Amino acid sequence: DTGVSQDPRHKITKRGQNVTFRCDPISEHNRLYWYRQTLGQGPEFLTYFQNEAQLEKSRLLSDRFSAERPKGSFSTLEIQRTEQGDSAMYLCASSRRQETQYFGPGTRLLVL
Amino acid sequence: SQQGEEDPQALSIQEGENATMNCSYKTSINNLQWYRQNSGRGLVHLILIRSNEREKHSGRLRVTLDTSKKSSSLLITASRAADTASYFCATDALGYGQNFVFGPGTRLSVLP
Repeated sequence: DTGVSQDPRHKITKRGQNVTFRCDPISEHNRLYWYRQTLGQGPEFLTYFQNEAQLEKSRLLSDRFSAERPKGSFSTLEIQRTEQGDSAMYLCASSRRQETQYFGPGTRLLVL
Repeated sequence: SQQGEEDPQALSIQEGENATMNCSYKTSINNLQWYRQNSGRGLVHLILIRSNEREKHSGRLRVTLDTSKKSSSLLITASRAADTASYFCATDALGYGQNFVFGPGTRLSVLP
């Protein structure tokens, strides 16, 4: 069990640029989640995959956000045309069933 | 509307004292979980309590669940400076889909 990993850990970008984050879940976990967390707040759900299928998306996930999980393994979250309001910690979690979610260390995004 | 809310928002105690945090939620749940987050890090799972359970223990942690009041409490006994962190409750609210809904957290400071 190597845990959930995320890459990069930090990203600084200029407004209008595209960014992509990667999440590698725990290998036997078929469920993968993306959350966004701003300072002083709890994580907010963005989207959820079961294997390669994206089964749920939050209304927070605007058209500029897209997530994929090809082959049901790692996942990517892309933000197009970044805005300053996108600055946040992006957290990935995985689970085997709808129970304990194991979180990665997060990717901290700063949009200048 | 937010499913879970922790109370208090911030708590400061001396090392060795007990810390109690509360969580209230609004709809029926399958289970409730508590997570800890050190500053700038990912979330660490502490304990899961199912809707048919009333109390669970794990080391210095004690969690209670009162489904009639839609509330839970997390007690940390004999606190240590290393317990300084933010604590979140998360519910898998029935009807909210597969994701967890987090509250804004309680920021605990344990002073040496």
